[in-house]
Amino acid sequence: NAGVTQTPKFRVLKTGQSMTLLCAQDMNHEYMYWYRQDPGMGLRLIHYSVGEGTTAKGEVPDGYNVSRLKKQNFLLGLESAAPSQTSVYFCASSYPRQGANTEAFFGQGTRLTVV
Amino acid sequence: DQQVKQNSPSLSVQEGRISILNCDYTNSMFDYFLWYKKYPAEGPTFLISISSIKDKNEDGRFTVFLNKSAKHLSLHIVPSQPGDSAVYFCAASGAWTSYDKVIFGPGTSLSVIP
Repeated sequence: NAGVTQTPKFRVLKTGQSMTLLCAQDMNHEYMYWYRQDPGMGLRLIHYSVGEGTTAKGEVPDGYNVSRLKKQNFLLGLESAAPSQTSVYFCASSYPRQGANTEAFFGQGTRLTVV
Repeated sequence: DQQVKQNSPSLSVQEGRISILNCDYTNSMFDYFLWYKKYPAEGPTFLISISSIKDKNEDGRFTVFLNKSAKHLSLHIVPSQPGDSAVYFCAASGAWTSYDKVIFGPGTSLSVIP
């Protein structure tokens, strides 16, 4: 059972380059999320999706775009990378909260450096 | 301003002793609290949660205490083991169905010394 898988694990970009981070989950979760983790800042939500074909902005959406064409995949795009986007990115998925079921499952992270 | 605060960036504890990780929040509407644990090069994993109708929740060596009047919660690990060395994130939310409503704190890095 793979859970949540992120591709790639590491990437170095030059300023202005574009890239797409791929997230895949095999738990049939409705909800998927993209976070970034920076020192002293915790996990900040970039974008999220509550179902196939839907996306919404989180706390820090500027400079990112997302797409959820298939239920199991959630893509995060950087159209023109900036050094401020150097971070560790985490994808996560969950069911809608039902009773005690409140857990989100995270991928292993993508470490992105923009130079 | 951060709504969920973990004022200790790091904590070192001797193996076998108690680890106490603290978390403060500012939003009185928060009524559900979670702790996640993160090892290096891995994603966070769920550890334990508590709702505001309780003041304590226990799961094995891990206990979370909630003091609503002080807007404070703490995670106790007893006894601490070297495998507990990780970053611990506190998180909080009000009424929610998805994690877009969950606010994470900055994390506390716990080192358990053998």
